[in-house]
Amino acid sequence: GNSVTQMEGPVTLSEEAFLTINCTYTATGYPSLFWYVQYPGEGLQLLLKATKADDKGSNKGFEATYRKETTSFHLEKGSVQVSDSAVYFCASLSDYKLSFGAGTTVTVRA
Amino acid sequence: DTAVSQTPKYLVTQMGNDKSIKCEQNLGHDTMYWYKQDSKKFLKIMFSYNNKELIINETVPNRFSPKSPDKAHLNLHINSLELGDSAVYFCASGRVGTDTQYFGPGTRLTVL
Repeated sequence: GNSVTQMEGPVTLSEEAFLTINCTYTATGYPSLFWYVQYPGEGLQLLLKATKADDKGSNKGFEATYRKETTSFHLEKGSVQVSDSAVYFCASLSDYKLSFGAGTTVTVRA
Repeated sequence: DTAVSQTPKYLVTQMGNDKSIKCEQNLGHDTMYWYKQDSKKFLKIMFSYNNKELIINETVPNRFSPKSPDKAHLNLHINSLELGDSAVYFCASGRVGTDTQYFGPGTRLTVL
């Protein structure tokens, strides 16, 4: 079955720093890949997604590229803000099931 | 306009009790899901219904029983609650043939 491994945190950054959260997947075939974000006390929100190799998902300054050769979907943002403090989840979809990574807690300090 | 709503938001109860969590979506989706998030934030799918039919049933104790009265609702009933059931339960919905699932705000269940 599918599984997702992502960099475990916590990650603490200063405002305007560069953020990378690594994510790799194992799957049969080519699953759709997602990054979800969970702000404190809230549910999950879709941040971005990519459905096939070399697709780049982007939203709110975040980007991730579907890399088939390295089975990766790393999340990046060039300049983080305090409001980006949240838990970030990488996920893959196969047979209607989302498989999540363990989540990475990101704290951005002013 | 709440897309996926859950009630209650918080639920505190004693071991051995039976409780239900309700979920409703107004997105017109045909598929709904229940996920469990443990204390370490790890998320795992429990069940999925498509048009009121169970399509995903992961390894979950049979004390957990989902019920879908119609396409817009998927409720989760839990019998004989145990300490290990304490978690945040998320409902989600989506449309068959599309990728994105939309999550509710979660229900924090605490079993004492």
